[in-house]
Amino acid sequence: DAGVIQSPRHEVTEMGQEVTLRCKPISGHNSLFWYRQTMMRGLELLIYFNNNVPIDDSGMPEDRFSAKMPNASFSTLKIQPSEPRDSAVYFCASRAGQGEEETQYFGPGTRLLVL
Amino acid sequence: GNSVTQMEGPVTLSEEAFLTINCTYTATGYPSLFWYVQYPGEGLQLLLKATKADDKGSNKGFEATYRKETTSFHLEKGSVQVSDSAVYFCALRSVGGADGLTFGKGTHLIIQP
Repeated sequence: DAGVIQSPRHEVTEMGQEVTLRCKPISGHNSLFWYRQTMMRGLELLIYFNNNVPIDDSGMPEDRFSAKMPNASFSTLKIQPSEPRDSAVYFCASRAGQGEEETQYFGPGTRLLVL
Repeated sequence: GNSVTQMEGPVTLSEEAFLTINCTYTATGYPSLFWYVQYPGEGLQLLLKATKADDKGSNKGFEATYRKETTSFHLEKGSVQVSDSAVYFCALRSVGGADGLTFGKGTHLIIQP
């Protein structure tokens, strides 16, 4: 299995530009999570989907952030317009089920730098 | 709300030393507990987990026991190797609550030869 795939791995952009991060979960997994990692705040859950439906987006910082999951094999996290404080590593994770013991598998992350 | 507290790093040890990384949590009910490891430039990998009180998770020589009475899940290894150098995250998933994981800030472990 290829694991969770994220692209791009690195992104450098200027303030005000739109940024789109992509994630392909592990085949057969029906839950998908987006996390953000910063030095100051550590790892934070932004949003998660079950069966392509957003369940909890309470962690999304503000309206500049949006996430979609049009099908079971693809999700995007978009920031528009981007700001320097959005600089972080963004991780996508997927999980096979909702049982108590189900494990989340993480992608390698996208390192975003907004200048 | 849920929270996880880990000892601050970096933690620097010599090869073959004994390792303990402390983790305590606050949560409603009986959460599942996890340790994840992050090697440089990579995503997080599950190291071990425990889903109920007194369970012991173990993997690659690492162990952690779910202690409900002290709300702790300390990570231990008897003899560390240089290859264990990484950042270690303690995390919980609450029962009946939000489905995502709540993470500690992470502990950077450096093993010197």
